[in-house]
Amino acid sequence: SQQGEEDPQALSIQEGENATMNCSYKTSINNLQWYRQNSGRGLVHLILIRSNEREKHSGRLRVTLDTSKKSSSLLITASRAADTASYFCATDAKADSWGKLQFGAGTQVVVTP
Amino acid sequence: EPEVTQTPSHQVTQMGQEVILRCVPISNHLYFYWYRQILGQKVEFLVSFYNNEISEKSEIFDDQFSVERPDGSNFTLKIRSTKLEDSAMYFCASRGEGTQYFGPGTRLLVL
Repeated sequence: SQQGEEDPQALSIQEGENATMNCSYKTSINNLQWYRQNSGRGLVHLILIRSNEREKHSGRLRVTLDTSKKSSSLLITASRAADTASYFCATDAKADSWGKLQFGAGTQVVVTP
Repeated sequence: EPEVTQTPSHQVTQMGQEVILRCVPISNHLYFYWYRQILGQKVEFLVSFYNNEISEKSEIFDDQFSVERPDGSNFTLKIRSTKLEDSAMYFCASRGEGTQYFGPGTRLLVL
């Protein structure tokens, strides 16, 4: 079954540095979405990128999508301590008519002051 | 900004008891979902709901689970006879323009 798989599993950086995490998936998609989850809390939607898009920006976030490689990356620039969280990619597969999302295991990001 | 809300935030129940988790999706959305996340694991899809009926369900969503939209705003997930392994965070989501917006979750603990 299709999955989004994030890499790395964990990332530790200093405030002000950039954080990059990657997501790979297996089948054709309608879109790919990135979410943030603070420990034990809800999923906050960050950005959606459609299959016909290659790059999107939102504030300090930059997402790329390479459908030929079935991969996406999320870049957080100038990270802050408040960016400490788990980040998940989730795919909406073309084969699924009803839009269910399949999540990866996530990347745990720790930003130290 | 509109948001998905869920109640209760926490629920503790005894094994074998019935629980109902409640969600209020974003008002103009038409597609609704339940997911769950067992502690330390991935978020897993349970069920999708459209036009007042289940459109898709996962293997997890067995006969012990049911969903309802009893009125124009609420969307509920019922677990008829809870098991220990049902302990998880349950998320409701609603979809508009492709983006799925998640509620804050209900943390269910089955003892």
